[in-house]
Amino acid sequence: KNQVEQSPQSLIILEGKNCTLQCNYTVSPFSNLRWYKQDTGRGPVSLTIMTFSENTKSNGRYTATLDADTKQSSLHITASQLSDSASYICVVPSGGSYIPTFGRGTSLIVHP
Amino acid sequence: SAVISQKPSRDICQRGTSLTIQCQVDSQVTMMFWYRQQPGQSLTLIATANQGSEATYESGFVIDKFPISRPNLTFSTLTVSNMSPEDSSIYLCSVVWGGEQYFGPGTRLTVT
Repeated sequence: KNQVEQSPQSLIILEGKNCTLQCNYTVSPFSNLRWYKQDTGRGPVSLTIMTFSENTKSNGRYTATLDADTKQSSLHITASQLSDSASYICVVPSGGSYIPTFGRGTSLIVHP
Repeated sequence: SAVISQKPSRDICQRGTSLTIQCQVDSQVTMMFWYRQQPGQSLTLIATANQGSEATYESGFVIDKFPISRPNLTFSTLTVSNMSPEDSSIYLCSVVWGGEQYFGPGTRLTVT
């Protein structure tokens, strides 16, 4: 069964601090892994897409890593800002299927 | 990118009534997807809507409860019928365009 597990479930940090969110998946066959940011009351917005051959990809203060051998990904947020407060969702489509598997998300709260 | 709009953005409805949610995309797409996101849960696919054919429903979702229309390549509606408090959720429209998945802003439904 395809599964995507995210940790921690929630996280509270102070503005300016860094944090790392984790995603473990068992989706097979693997094609790519996506991180989305979902602000409260909004739909998810894509942050980054990691393909099998990519180990690291950055998007501004967001850096995603992928270890296809251990089936793990992380999203590192540097110098957090209040606007980073959101839910971060890891999504893994199954190769050959248009139906992705969604993680439950990590709820991040950044305090001033 | 694909820009998706949804109407209404939120609604409070009485049990036993029905609500129709509209989804408009600024690009022509073959498939449109409807998701449900219950509080603290990951996104769950309700159905896939193809233009000119009946929607394909996922396990646990039926057409009588969630009828879908897809009159053209840029528009779809999802109706939540005979609502109960358990239907309180965020409903999201989504498309895949240019190899990337985009989501609408969501419709937050509260059933009292």
